[in-house]
Amino acid sequence: ILNVEQSPQSLHVQEGDSTNFTCSFPSSNFYALHWYRWETAKSPEALFVMTLNGDEKKKGRISATLNTKEGYSYLYIKGSQPEDSATYLCASPSLNAGNMLTFGGGTRLMVKP
Amino acid sequence: DAGVIQSPRHEVTEMGQEVTLRCKPISGHNSLFWYRQTMMRGLELLIYFNNNVPIDDSGMPEDRFSAKMPNASFSTLKIQPSEPRDSAVYFCASSSGQGPRDTEAFFGQGTRLTVV
Repeated sequence: ILNVEQSPQSLHVQEGDSTNFTCSFPSSNFYALHWYRWETAKSPEALFVMTLNGDEKKKGRISATLNTKEGYSYLYIKGSQPEDSATYLCASPSLNAGNMLTFGGGTRLMVKP
Repeated sequence: DAGVIQSPRHEVTEMGQEVTLRCKPISGHNSLFWYRQTMMRGLELLIYFNNNVPIDDSGMPEDRFSAKMPNASFSTLKIQPSEPRDSAVYFCASSSGQGPRDTEAFFGQGTRLTVV
């Protein structure tokens, strides 16, 4: 199982603030990096699947970058809104274990109106 | 496709009883995962199947837990006997796994298990 870590564990921001959080993963045998959004009482849903070093993905106010050489990815939220409140998970499949997907512990974001 | 289907959505059982959770992955997906959501550990991987074969079950808490995937369209997670500390939300997810861009996991709605 890969060691996938996220920081911070939780984050409280005011509506309108921009924020970012980090996912670190093993850089050796890199295959892909996923970001998921997990709202309370729902199931995780994928935001991005990133595979190439230097990849940048964007969906509305949310964007992500990927550095496979140093083993980290950042997720950015511009102008946070209360509806952005959720847990954001990153995950990486292990090429050596048949693409088994390991999740980080998540960053719980709370946006205050 | 209807997505990943889990049943039941909610299960309340008494300590010591056998519990069986069911999952139907998305048709054509060859990877299936069982996860458990806990306060302490977040999303914890229990077992991973690839082409119906268990690849990694190191996350299965103990011998009381077992999982099967008899065919590509069905998997079960069984707890026997159940204990109050097994109370959690159990998620099943599947992915096509054909290439790096196809490793995205699609989750079912989860089964909320309460053992009293």
